[in-house]
Amino acid sequence: KNEVEQSPQNLTAQEGEFITINCSYSVGISALHWLQQHPGGGIVSLFMLSSGKKKHGRLIATINIQEKHSSLHITASHPRDSAVYICAVRGPNTGNQFYFGTGTSLTVIP
Amino acid sequence: DAGVTQSPTHLIKTRGQHVTLRCSPISGHKSVSWYQQVLGQGPQFIFQYYEKEERGRGNFPDRFSARQFPNYSSELNVNALLLGDSALYLCASTGHDYGYTFGSGTRLTVV
Repeated sequence: KNEVEQSPQNLTAQEGEFITINCSYSVGISALHWLQQHPGGGIVSLFMLSSGKKKHGRLIATINIQEKHSSLHITASHPRDSAVYICAVRGPNTGNQFYFGTGTSLTVIP
Repeated sequence: DAGVTQSPTHLIKTRGQHVTLRCSPISGHKSVSWYQQVLGQGPQFIFQYYEKEERGRGNFPDRFSARQFPNYSSELNVNALLLGDSALYLCASTGHDYGYTFGSGTRLTVV
């Protein structure tokens, strides 16, 4: 069983839709990261969360430590948001290294 | 300021060969981690180095080794390549704020 589970695996949305990607984890963590990976492979860090909620532009990330769950929301989605979104956790129970989810492949259609 | 740079960007090797991948961290970052990402899966942790010392090792065979140099750059070496080693190899550097920055990766194809 993977320590980090994401859903959905694949998501297609119309431009302008509100999008939610979910992440559940089973280990104790010190931080959860949301990452964006484009087809070329490079990974960009979107958020690092240890509690509560963060917002950056049209992106919002929340985390519930008690429930071991996080969500990434994209408001007013745009085709340029098309990418793979990966949830990753790290902490004392992971040797402070990342455990990654398998990613959510998002396609936003104009 | 340059981000994390990895070289080469693409590489094709044959089974049994050896490969060396390189990573230069962000200036001032002293920790480098290596990850393997097989197509369709999330990255898997291989190694972490901090101040030239190995601080963590994932579940990879001894064919995988790494080292970190005094300038904090790092090399990942893989011996006796197998077809299953074909993957994107990602390097991430970490600073004192524990923020992680990833490189664009090296795509290794073993034929």
